[in-house]
Amino acid sequence: GAVVSQHPSWVICKSGTSVKIECRSLDFQATTMFWYRQFPKQSLMLMATSNEGSKATYEQGVEKDKFLINHASLTLSTLTVTSAHPEDSSFYICSARNRYSNQPQHFGDGTRLSIL
Amino acid sequence: QQQVKQSPQSLIVQKGGIPIINCAYENTAFDYFPWYQQFPGKGPALLIAIRPDVSEKKEGRFTISFNKSAKQFSLHIMDSQPGDSATYFCAASIPRGSNYKLTFGKGTLLTVNP
Repeated sequence: GAVVSQHPSWVICKSGTSVKIECRSLDFQATTMFWYRQFPKQSLMLMATSNEGSKATYEQGVEKDKFLINHASLTLSTLTVTSAHPEDSSFYICSARNRYSNQPQHFGDGTRLSIL
Repeated sequence: QQQVKQSPQSLIVQKGGIPIINCAYENTAFDYFPWYQQFPGKGPALLIAIRPDVSEKKEGRFTISFNKSAKQFSLHIMDSQPGDSATYFCAASIPRGSNYKLTFGKGTLLTVNP
């Protein structure tokens, strides 16, 4: 149980386009979801926390107009990277909180974003 | 300010060896300390976790030792196997009001040679 699915797993697009990444909790309701960014050989950096039905809370230094987060339902959160540039290329990972689990977060398998 | 310090950055052991990864934290409000295993191109997966009311927890070949007074905890992998080669992250969490946000260490790249 407590499966988190991320889609797509890998995306390549041209500079200037917008890219949407989906994060779904498959077998539980996630009132809170988290979005992380991970550069090669580095740790996970929390970008934002989203609660269902409300605006996301962004970490310091993360541009909210650049990284749009929507958490419209208890099983789906989306991250849209707007007007993506090569420096936005990274590994993006979502996680979801299951209030009935003893784990604080369940992680998806990440999305590799490459901007040409 | 890094709230969870992890060492070493990388570690190489022979099959059957016992790699030990250490973490130290500063915030005494942390009350949940998980270890995650991450393979290349995958998200982190929970390996084992401990709360500060116990000093040791063992699950299979993985053991967490926790020293509350020193604000340190460590992961031991018994009888390590090449399949254990991965990056390991320690983390710490504050409950409830923080939405259970996780603070991660910088990671340890473990290589287990056959």
